[in-house]
Amino acid sequence: DAGVIQSPRHEVTEMGQEVTLRCKPISGHDYLFWYRQTMMRGLELLIYFNNNVPIDDSGMPEDRFSAKMPNASFSTLKIQPSEPRDSAVYFCASSQTGTGGPNGYTFGSGTRLTVV
Amino acid sequence: GDSVTQMEGPVTLSEEAFLTINCTYTATGYPSLFWYVQYPGEGLQLLLKATKADDKGSNKGFEATYRKETTSFHLEKGSVQVSDSAVYFCALSRRALTFGSGTRLQVQP
Repeated sequence: DAGVIQSPRHEVTEMGQEVTLRCKPISGHDYLFWYRQTMMRGLELLIYFNNNVPIDDSGMPEDRFSAKMPNASFSTLKIQPSEPRDSAVYFCASSQTGTGGPNGYTFGSGTRLTVV
Repeated sequence: GDSVTQMEGPVTLSEEAFLTINCTYTATGYPSLFWYVQYPGEGLQLLLKATKADDKGSNKGFEATYRKETTSFHLEKGSVQVSDSAVYFCALSRRALTFGSGTRLQVQP
């Protein structure tokens, strides 16, 4: 298996622009998670899906952030409009169960977003 | 709510030294516990896990025991190598992972 695949690896955009981050989970994993990593706040859960349905989006910072999972093999995290304080590394992770399953949670390589 | 507390870093050790990184948690019920490792510029990799009290997770010479009575899951390794230099995250899970702040380990030759 190729693991969790995220794109792009790096994104530099200007303030006010729309940004879309993409994630392909591991086939057969029913849970998908989006995390954000910053020096100040560490790793924060933004939202997670079970069987393509959003279960908990309480970590989404504000209305500028939205996430979708149109099918079992694809998810997007969109920021519109982007702001400099959104600069961070965004990770996608997937798992067989909500508690991780036998192999735990598998993380992608992340997308490093810089908003200038 | 759920939370994880890790010892502050960086932890600097010489090669072949003994490693302990302390981790305690606060949660209702019986969460699963994890250690993840992050190498520079990379994502997080599962190092080890434990799903119930007194379970010991182990991998690549690292060990951690789920201690319910002290709500702890300390990471240990008997002899560290330069290649172990990374950031280590303790985490718990009931529905999704809640992470500690991470501990940077620097191993000097």
